[in-house]
Amino acid sequence: EVQLVQSGAEVKKPGESLKISCKASGYTFTNNWIGWVRQMPGKGLEWMGIIYPGDSDTRYSPSFEGQVTFSVDKSTNTAYLQWSSLKASDTAIYYCARHRISATVTSHDVFAIWGQGTMVTVSS
Amino acid sequence: VLTQSPATLSVSPGERATLSCRASQSVTSSYLAWYQQKPGQAPRLLIYGASSRATGIPDRFSGSESGTDFTLTISRLEPEDFAVYYCQHYGRLPFSFGPGTTVEIK
Repeated sequence: EVQLVQSGAEVKKPGESLKISCKASGYTFTNNWIGWVRQMPGKGLEWMGIIYPGDSDTRYSPSFEGQVTFSVDKSTNTAYLQWSSLKASDTAIYYCARHRISATVTSHDVFAIWGQGTMVTVSS
Repeated sequence: VLTQSPATLSVSPGERATLSCRASQSVTSSYLAWYQQKPGQAPRLLIYGASSRATGIPDRFSGSESGTDFTLTISRLEPEDFAVYYCQHYGRLPFSFGPGTTVEIK
């Protein structure tokens, strides 16, 4: 079964750093782009960007570029989303999601497989 | 930029629901998708390529397009269909989601 399993909820203080994870299983990790989606409390979905696990090529939304960093570890089939200095406005659920089709076909694709989400709370 | 209407749609079970998503500019090659999200759950892909159903999606869900206007139709609402629906374009970076339409029980 293809699945993405995300790390557990986090509670952090403003200014702290954080790295959350998304572990893939059931398929070849380097075949498909993986993306991140933010959902602030009671709000809609925001596309943050995507990363290609094969070579770590990344495409960030301008809204998130410079604010977060995507990375992968091919040895553990895990994608990461990290912050160097959290703000209260980073409080949200963060979903990782996998593109539907192979990266060799296109990087323009939909999210067919989703993780369960990681709740990040930033509060002093 | 994607706009969705209405923001909230009140429908009775068994009735038809029609949701709209309008793009501010041409969506490359019909690269428009629809997702369903229920409370406390991750989104689920329903439709991609404007009109292709994702794996396992019932045929009561259908998508169509007319220029920059896209429509998701749920032919006969089942109790499990009451949720928030988002459209997403993926033809030009950055890909983005619409603000969502809530389908609620009338």
